[in-house]
Amino acid sequence: DAGVIQSPRHEVTEMGQEVTLRCKPISGHNSLFWYRQTMMRGLELLIYFNNNVPIDDSGMPEDRFSAKMPNASFSTLKIQPSEPRDSAVYFCASSRDRAHEQYFGPGTRLTVT
Amino acid sequence: QQQVKQSPQSLIVQKGGIPIINCAYENTAFDYFPWYQQFPGKGPALLIAIRPDVSEKKEGRFTISFNKSAKQFSLHIMDSQPGDSATYFCAASHSNTGKLIFGQGTTLQVKP
Repeated sequence: DAGVIQSPRHEVTEMGQEVTLRCKPISGHNSLFWYRQTMMRGLELLIYFNNNVPIDDSGMPEDRFSAKMPNASFSTLKIQPSEPRDSAVYFCASSRDRAHEQYFGPGTRLTVT
Repeated sequence: QQQVKQSPQSLIVQKGGIPIINCAYENTAFDYFPWYQQFPGKGPALLIAIRPDVSEKKEGRFTISFNKSAKQFSLHIMDSQPGDSATYFCAASHSNTGKLIFGQGTTLQVKP
């Protein structure tokens, strides 16, 4: 059974460029979470979806960040324009329901120069 | 009220020792307390979780102790092995939201 799939695994981009991170949740899971991990701030929840609907986006840092979930098997996190302070590891996680265990993907390491 | 405080930040034990990692929370509405293990370059992996209706839960060498009145919970690793060297995160959430609040993490090194 495939776990959460994220792409790309590594992304290096220049300041001002648009970055799109992708996530495929575990089949049958209806909740999807986007996290950001940095040394300074640890693991932070950015946004989560339940049944493809955004439920809580209070963790999204600013308007440069946006997330979509067009269907149950795909989600994107977009940063436009990117800034060096966005450099972090971005994780996607999914769960069978929002009250259940979350399973994390391998992450996307983003470096903005 | 939304914070989860984790300690220590780092921990070094000898093989066979019993590292203990502690977490404290403030929000009494939290009703789900998982621990995650993360190896370098990997995503966090669920290790063990507890709900507040029990005071202890064991899975293999991993035990969670939960003190509802003190609003604290801890992870004990019995007979620790070098392969347990990783970063451990506690977390808390309310089942209505599923929104996990993570502690800052503890880097554990188990020396051979």
